Amino acid sequence: EAAVTQSPRSKVAVTGGKVTLSCHQTNNHDYMYWYRQDTGHGLRLIHYSYVADSTEKGDIPDGYKASRPSQENFSLILELASLSQTAVYFCASSDRNQAPLFGEGTRLSVL
Amino acid sequence: GDSVTQTEGQVTVSESKSLIINCTYSTTSIAYPNLFWYVRYPGEGLQLLLKVITAGQKGSSRGFEATYNKETTSFHLQKASVQESDSAVYYCALGDLRSSGSWQLIFGSGTQLTVMP
Repeated sequence: EAAVTQSPRSKVAVTGGKVTLSCHQTNNHDYMYWYRQDTGHGLRLIHYSYVADSTEKGDIPDGYKASRPSQENFSLILELASLSQTAVYFCASSDRNQAPLFGEGTRLSVL
Repeated sequence: GDSVTQTEGQVTVSESKSLIINCTYSTTSIAYPNLFWYVRYPGEGLQLLLKVITAGQKGSSRGFEATYNKETTSFHLQKASVQESDSAVYYCALGDLRSSGSWQLIFGSGTQLTVMP
């Protein structure tokens, strides 16, 4: 069964600390994405990747890095977490023939 | 730019009543928009509910329907008779399949549907 798995499901981080969110897909999809959602707003694209060892900036990349070490794995890295990065983060994967499939989300609280 | 506007906030409907969640879109850059409805049930991730890629066509899934209307730039979600299990957050999205094969999705802000027994 096609799946996108995110870890952790929730996290509390301190301001200025480093946070890594992980995503794993078993769909054999080439494309992977990271989105963030703020309460009352739609999802916005942070970074995406179309091949291992390569990442691209999305609409709101500032303050985030991404890493795609393999086709299956895609990480989002907050080097210096800030209060404004408190949000729910969604990972997704897709290919040309299938709309993006999303994970369950990671709720990040930065204190 | 591109944007999606949908029924804001919360919608409460009694079980077995009809539902409509409005969605309109605007695009200046996407030549052939695809339109989506995603749903997020409590404790779960976003799931694709339905997708329509051609203007004038209707998509349907789980009793929900939405018609891609290019003239009114709308993609309203409707259901004739809702159930408690339909309680969830619904997101309308405008999509572009790029030549690279990646998807660009622009999401609305989401509509929380609560179905009362």
